[in-house]
Amino acid sequence: DADVTQTPRNRITKTGKRIMLECSQTKGHDRMYWYRQDPGLGLRLIYYSFDVKDINKGEISDGYSVSRQAQAKFSLSLESAIPNQTALYFCATRETGGANTGELFFGEGSRLTVL
Amino acid sequence: AQSVSQHNHHVILSEAASLELGCNYSYGGTVNLFWYVQYPGQHLQLLLKYFSGDPLVKGIKGFEAEFIKSKFSFNLRKPSVQWSDTAEYFCAVKYNAGNMLTFGGGTRLMVKP
Repeated sequence: DADVTQTPRNRITKTGKRIMLECSQTKGHDRMYWYRQDPGLGLRLIYYSFDVKDINKGEISDGYSVSRQAQAKFSLSLESAIPNQTALYFCATRETGGANTGELFFGEGSRLTVL
Repeated sequence: AQSVSQHNHHVILSEAASLELGCNYSYGGTVNLFWYVQYPGQHLQLLLKYFSGDPLVKGIKGFEAEFIKSKFSFNLRKPSVQWSDTAEYFCAVKYNAGNMLTFGGGTRLMVKP
């Protein structure tokens, strides 16, 4: 089983619909992240969370919201999806403390298409 | 703003050719450096990382990268590529003053058998 699990893996929706992407992890990491990947742009950070009570905006948070329901769960919502939110979305986790080198551990990705 | 540049967006090589992918980052003090690989249809996996010590870092599958501080570069190399190296490669930088990784735009490598 994957350490970082994302659901759904693929989703096609229509403009204006609300969408939630979910992420759960078994690594025991405190830090969780949501990125979107677009061709030629690499990965851009949407939101990140250092613990259940700590949520922070990334570089492209407009149009998105998140919820950290528990240490192991971090969900991303699009309240009213629009076509330019069509992308591949990745959840990632990171260790904290002395062993932390900044390495991220990624989920399998969620491909979202907004028509 | 901190940024990471990967100069080659697409690279096509034949098997056994040597590979070098460029990565440059903007100045921002002490850094941790990473190369991630994304095989077709899969998630990103760590190839190698540098955070201190020997600037020549060896990773999995025969890859290595050299941190040249004076050039703000962390180029990825492999002496002889294989068809199975076909993937997208991402350079990423964590500035010690910050809390997150900044990614480059990625380089798509295609290796012809």
